[in-house]
Amino acid sequence: EIVMTQSPATLSVSPGERATLSCRASQSVSSNLAWYQQKPGQAPRLLIYGASTRATGIPARFSGSGSGTEFTLTISSLQSEDFAVYYCQQYNNWPFMYTFGQGTKLEIK
Amino acid sequence: EVQLVESGGGLVKPGGSLRLSCAASGFTFSSYSMNWVRQAPGKGLEWVSSISSSSSYIYYADSVKGRFTISRDNAKNSLYLQMNSLRAEDTAVYYCARDFAAAHAFDYWGQGTLVTVSS
Repeated sequence: EIVMTQSPATLSVSPGERATLSCRASQSVSSNLAWYQQKPGQAPRLLIYGASTRATGIPARFSGSGSGTEFTLTISSLQSEDFAVYYCQQYNNWPFMYTFGQGTKLEIK
Repeated sequence: EVQLVESGGGLVKPGGSLRLSCAASGFTFSSYSMNWVRQAPGKGLEWVSSISSSSSYIYYADSVKGRFTISRDNAKNSLYLQMNSLRAEDTAVYYCARDFAAAHAFDYWGQGTLVTVSS
């Protein structure tokens, strides 16, 4: 089973600054990596898929990078609405499985 | 507008059963694989089960295999999750989520339905 590890668990950043969130896979997942944002009481929202492609309607300040086992989500200039929990998710085709990281809480500094 | 609306959650005793439903609208339901994802209170996300567009392929997380059954009715634009032998650790908000084709990601989610397993 592939384990996804996100770091840090909590990240404190000031509005307008850059935030960098990391996700590591226990074995290669190629580019089968997605990122989600979740706010309290809401369903997750897809931000990035294929490790680096922004989903429809996602602002350009969100970018994803990486392949294999190391991935990064960067938010270039934090807006107030960006403070939330972020999850990475991988797909494995054999055995068929989706696995999420444990999440990074992005909070206002 | 794509909409996914879950229903069927509630309080059930350990060992009991519950059937969740997800009503889909705003897209051609029969063309998409669908999924159930859950989130225990205060915890992270856990994939539960997936079903292909024609129900030919069905997959489960090890944690629910043998107890949960996913199904769909394309004529009714509906997704289901039959949950048997429920345990306290199954307590969670259950989301249905659309599979974003070859991207292997979930592009639309419902608002979730809460399942509480407690005596």
